[in-house]
Amino acid sequence: AQTVTQSQPEMSVQEAETVTLSCTYDTSENNYYLFWYKQPPSRQMILVIRQEAYKQQNATENRFSVNFQKAAKSFSLKISDSQLGDTAMYFCAFMSYNTDKLIFGTGTRLQVFP
Amino acid sequence: DVKVTQSSRYLVKRTGEKVFLECVQDMDHENMFWYRQDPGLGLRLIYFSYDVKMKEKGDIPEGYSVSREKKERFSLILESASTNQTSMYLCASSLTGTGEANTEAFFGQGTRLTVV
Repeated sequence: AQTVTQSQPEMSVQEAETVTLSCTYDTSENNYYLFWYKQPPSRQMILVIRQEAYKQQNATENRFSVNFQKAAKSFSLKISDSQLGDTAMYFCAFMSYNTDKLIFGTGTRLQVFP
Repeated sequence: DVKVTQSSRYLVKRTGEKVFLECVQDMDHENMFWYRQDPGLGLRLIYFSYDVKMKEKGDIPEGYSVSREKKERFSLILESASTNQTSMYLCASSLTGTGEANTEAFFGQGTRLTVV
């Protein structure tokens, strides 16, 4: 069975600074996807960034980038130039090629301070 | 604009009541999911449906059942609500098949259910 672990329940960062959220996962599969989802106070969950495991290049989406270490089963999210609108819960998630089920971690609550 | 709509944002029910949570998506997605979200526990999968009338148990199916009679609608049923089912319930949908573009799940805004 796959598991996703987020060891940081809460984090805070000052506006315009950089913050990194950690995620590790466990799987015996070789082909899978990893995701970061954001849930702001409005509760609407949205996809931030995704990474396909066979791709060695780390995914980037504007101010968001990942550090994907397949051998270490680590998938961290870096947010550069943090903005107040980045305040949210962030969930790391896993999906194997064999199933369309998303498995989530416990989340990290990020607070961005002015 | 893609949309997953949950019938209620807030719901208060009494212990022992039968509760229906409805979810509708307008994207012609094959997959639909029900998650339960609790502080410190993240999102836990209750049930998953990959086609009409098809369902699969998730990690915490006890006390719940589901119905998918039409592709766009996925209902979560609490047969006899209990106080430990007080939680946030999230519905999601996604396409099936391989390809990175198909992997994104779209979520509803959640139903906060309180069982008293």
